[in-house]
Amino acid sequence: NAGVTQTPKFRVLKTGQSMTLLCAQDMNHEYMYWYRQDPGMGLRLIHYSVGEGTTAKGEVPDGYNVSRLKKQNFLLGLESAAPSQTSVYFCASKGTGGQFGYTFGSGTRLTVV
Amino acid sequence: GENVEQHPSTLSVQEGDSAVIKCTYSDSASNYFPWYKQELGKRPQLIIDIRSNVGEKKDQRIAVTLNKTAKHFSLHITETQPEDSAVYFCAASKSNMLTFGGGTRLMVKP
Repeated sequence: NAGVTQTPKFRVLKTGQSMTLLCAQDMNHEYMYWYRQDPGMGLRLIHYSVGEGTTAKGEVPDGYNVSRLKKQNFLLGLESAAPSQTSVYFCASKGTGGQFGYTFGSGTRLTVV
Repeated sequence: GENVEQHPSTLSVQEGDSAVIKCTYSDSASNYFPWYKQELGKRPQLIIDIRSNVGEKKDQRIAVTLNKTAKHFSLHITETQPEDSAVYFCAASKSNMLTFGGGTRLMVKP
């Protein structure tokens, strides 16, 4: 039982390049989330999903797209990376019903130069 | 949407003293309030949480209190130790959406 796994752990991109961050969970959770964390700040919600095939915008969605084709995977895409997207990205998942806790991945540190 | 304010942004205490971190939230429909500890380069780790139908919860040296009327909740750490040094985040959840406070950097001086 790995919990929430994020790949890659580190990446350096040039401005204008594209990439996809993968989040995978093995807990059969319905809800999945992508957050970004900038230095000295809290986590801010980028996009989220309430189930397979669904996605929705969070607090800071501009410049990102997401897909949830399979229940266990939530992909975050950057179509044309900008230096302002340099950040640490965390994925999280959550169950339904009486399950209140959120499980976080170990993060992806992305630098855009 | 929900807005969570956290104070102070930095807190320095002497080993053995208590530390208190306070948060306020804006949406009275929020019903779950977790606290996370984040060490440098690591993921947030849940240390304690409280649901809206409870006023106080304690786990060894850590306690959380919730005042729903005033819409604020607090983290209390007693007998602080150097290994408590980290950044602490409060959060509020409504309708399966988690909103974080800005964080408190706690430094425990030996």
